[in-house]
Amino acid sequence: GAVVSQHPSWVICKSGTSVKIECRSLDFQATTMFWYRQFPKQSLMLMATSNEGSKATYEQGVEKDKFLINHASLTLSTLTVTSAHPEDSSFYICSAGGTNYGYTFGSGTRLTVV
Amino acid sequence: AQSVTQPDIHITVSEGASLELRCNYSYGATPYLFWYVQSPGQGLQLLLKYFSGDTLVQGIKGFEAEFKRSQSSFNLRKPSVHWSDAAEYFCAVAYSGAGSYQLTFGKGTKLSVIP
Repeated sequence: GAVVSQHPSWVICKSGTSVKIECRSLDFQATTMFWYRQFPKQSLMLMATSNEGSKATYEQGVEKDKFLINHASLTLSTLTVTSAHPEDSSFYICSAGGTNYGYTFGSGTRLTVV
Repeated sequence: AQSVTQPDIHITVSEGASLELRCNYSYGATPYLFWYVQSPGQGLQLLLKYFSGDTLVQGIKGFEAEFKRSQSSFNLRKPSVHWSDAAEYFCAVAYSGAGSYQLTFGKGTKLSVIP
């Protein structure tokens, strides 16, 4: 079945630094990947849609200059949280595929900014 | 606009009892519907999905869901719950946007299982 690998699974960084999160589709090509943010005990909120070879489409209210998304290949999308602040601490999850694959999700990245 | 409602925030059942998690959606077109399960600190695992055809869908781990268009519902069921089923369950609907299908999630239902 479709597998999506997300790395790292857990990261702590200092305020003001940048963090990169990778999302890879291991056994299929993903022209579209999605990035979500999940606050504790809440549902997933779509941040952006990442399209291979083109700019990402951000949801309303998401700062595209803070959350940089790059989808340079059919198997890799990256989310970079720039100049991270404590309020950026959250659980970030990517997904890839589409309706046929049922949107396979990565295992998530717990970001803590101190 | 599309939306997904999971009316129950938290459900507790005894091990071996039956389970039904409710999900209602609002979407103008024919929906693609999904149920996912999430264990603490983990990503989401797909339990089952409905695209078309038979309205009763079988999934993994003994789960099933029934699509009822007249009620705009896609409730998840399991005849006998196991302790390992304790987790957060999310219902989602896929809608067309930004050139691809995107998911809208319900707020989730936390399932606790009493031994």
